Amino acid sequence: AQSVSQHNHHVILSEAASLELGCNYSYGGTVNLFWYVQYPGQHLQLLLKYFSGDPLVKGIKGFEAEFIKSKFSFNLRKPSVQWSDTAEYFCAVTLGGSYIPTFGRGTSLIVHP
Amino acid sequence: DAGVIQSPRHEVTEMGQEVTLRCKPISGHDYLFWYRQTMMRGLELLIYFNNNVPIDDSGMPEDRFSAKMPNASFSTLKIQPSEPRDSAVYFCASSFTGSNQPQHFGDGTRLSIL
Repeated sequence: AQSVSQHNHHVILSEAASLELGCNYSYGGTVNLFWYVQYPGQHLQLLLKYFSGDPLVKGIKGFEAEFIKSKFSFNLRKPSVQWSDTAEYFCAVTLGGSYIPTFGRGTSLIVHP
Repeated sequence: DAGVIQSPRHEVTEMGQEVTLRCKPISGHDYLFWYRQTMMRGLELLIYFNNNVPIDDSGMPEDRFSAKMPNASFSTLKIQPSEPRDSAVYFCASSFTGSNQPQHFGDGTRLSIL
């Protein structure tokens, strides 16, 4: 069965610092990749997704992610974080023929003002 | 678009009581998912439906949990009898068919069983 690993469980940054959250998956076939964000007390919402084309995907709020097939990775980046980026971030993967995503455990990001 | 609507937002009840969580998916979406989120286990998929039919309930923790989708615009997740370890946030999500389709989540129900 496929799995999704988010190696950073907790990340603490100061405002304006750069962010990179890791996501690795364990499937060698065609995949669709997603990053979701969950602000405190709210529901998960889509940040960005990749399913084909340019491996560098830009999402909302200045986030981007790069799909590196050879490394089975889809890391999330933001050059300069803000206090309002404090949230839980989830990576998710669907296989080419499946509609059911596998979610990672999530990374808790705290940004100090 | 009203989004996925869940009710209630919060539920506090005593163990042994029946709990019913409700979900209205986004109109036109043909997949509906129920998740449970806890600190210990993260986000767990409990069950999902396609065109109102339950497809996979292997994530339902035990027979005390049941879910129904009587029509395309309504689903329920029931726990009977409830236990303190069922305390969690329960999310409903819906999506269109397609492996590249994102899920749209409701605001969740925060359930506390005393």
